Amino acid sequence: EAGVVQSPRYKIIEKKQPVAFWCNPISGHNTLYWYLQNLGQGPELLIRYENEEAVDDSQLPKDRFSAERLKGVDSTLKIQPAELGDSAVYLCASSPGSNPYEQYFGPGTRLTVT
Amino acid sequence: AQSVTQPDIHITVSEGASLELRCNYSYGATPYLFWYVQSPGQGLQLLLKYFSGDTLVQGIKGFEAEFKRSQSSFNLRKPSVHWSDAAEYFCAVGALGNNDMRFGAGTRLTVKP
Repeated sequence: EAGVVQSPRYKIIEKKQPVAFWCNPISGHNTLYWYLQNLGQGPELLIRYENEEAVDDSQLPKDRFSAERLKGVDSTLKIQPAELGDSAVYLCASSPGSNPYEQYFGPGTRLTVT
Repeated sequence: AQSVTQPDIHITVSEGASLELRCNYSYGATPYLFWYVQSPGQGLQLLLKYFSGDTLVQGIKGFEAEFKRSQSSFNLRKPSVHWSDAAEYFCAVGALGNNDMRFGAGTRLTVKP
């Protein structure tokens, strides 16, 4: 069984540029999460999807961040425009609807904003 | 809301020695507790979890953790550490009916030969 796939693995951009991250969850997992992990910190939830519906986006900075999960499978997280403070690892995770605590994480995308 | 504290930022142990990583949580009701491991450049992998029942939980890779309600703790242990255990370890707490998991800041484990 394939795990959670994320791309790109690394991204370097200049500030004020847009950037997008892609996530493909484990097949059959209804719930998808995007987490932000700053250096030396644990992951912090940005947004959670149940199928295609964003059910918790309270921690998503909506002035510059957006996300979508069309058709309830793949998801894209976008930042526009990026700021220096956005440099971090962006993790995607998925879980089956029957057990929201069984979260499987992807390898993450390491973003560097210069 | 629930929260987690991992008091040790970095721990170094010798290969073959025993290990204990500390985790304290704050939550008014019975928490759901987790330990994850993250190797460099990798995502988080679930080591073990506690929902209810036996307070001593066995996980993968020879790890175990004990839930102590009186101390609000969920410490991770391993009797004999291997060099491959060097990684970052995260404790997390969740709550019934709430998918919001809160992670600690992590403890980095270094294993000396």
